[in-house]
Amino acid sequence: GAVVSQHPSRVICKSGTSVKIECRSLDFQATTMFWYRQFPKQSLMLMATSNEGSKATYEQGVEKDKFLINHASLTLSTLTVTSAHPEDSSFYICSARKDVQETQYFGPGTRLLVL
Amino acid sequence: RKEVEQDPGPFNVPEGATVAFNCTYSNSASQSFFWYRQDCRKEPKLLMSVYSSGNEDGRFTAQLNRASQYISLLIRDSKLSDSATYLCVVGVGNNRKLIWGLGTSLAVNP
Repeated sequence: GAVVSQHPSRVICKSGTSVKIECRSLDFQATTMFWYRQFPKQSLMLMATSNEGSKATYEQGVEKDKFLINHASLTLSTLTVTSAHPEDSSFYICSARKDVQETQYFGPGTRLLVL
Repeated sequence: RKEVEQDPGPFNVPEGATVAFNCTYSNSASQSFFWYRQDCRKEPKLLMSVYSSGNEDGRFTAQLNRASQYISLLIRDSKLSDSATYLCVVGVGNNRKLIWGLGTSLAVNP
């Protein structure tokens, strides 16, 4: 299957700082990338859908000014958690897809801990 | 009612057992169906897509009943390495947005 990477794999930061997470599709061009969040013992929740070259579509309840998404190329999307707080601590996972008929391939996830 | 419902388990079974997981979904317009597997503290990995005709991949068999909005996964001859959380996932809308179940936890014991 296709390969999607995420960086960093884990990050610990102080409350109030901003954290950037990168998602790359390594061997295919992803027209769409998705950002998910998973809290312990809960299911994955879609945060936003990102199409290359256009603004991300955020799910209800997700603040677009707090979770900034940039999908500048067909192989890279970034999620920036601005002014992070302890309640933002979670497992953030991206996925990438070539087109709507294709499977989503998931990155290994980024574990964020905000102190 | 949750959009995708699964029994969270845990299911504790001995090696070699056959185990079945069920899942129901609420959106009748759902268009694609999947089972994913997630190991502890890892990303989910696609186990198999699910089709109305049913599909089998080795020890794994998936079935879809659109009329009942019900999806199943059967694992035969369970291995220790099958221990994981199994996630029922449904794709909806033109953009095939994925809606995730909470997952069913499986522990295969020696």
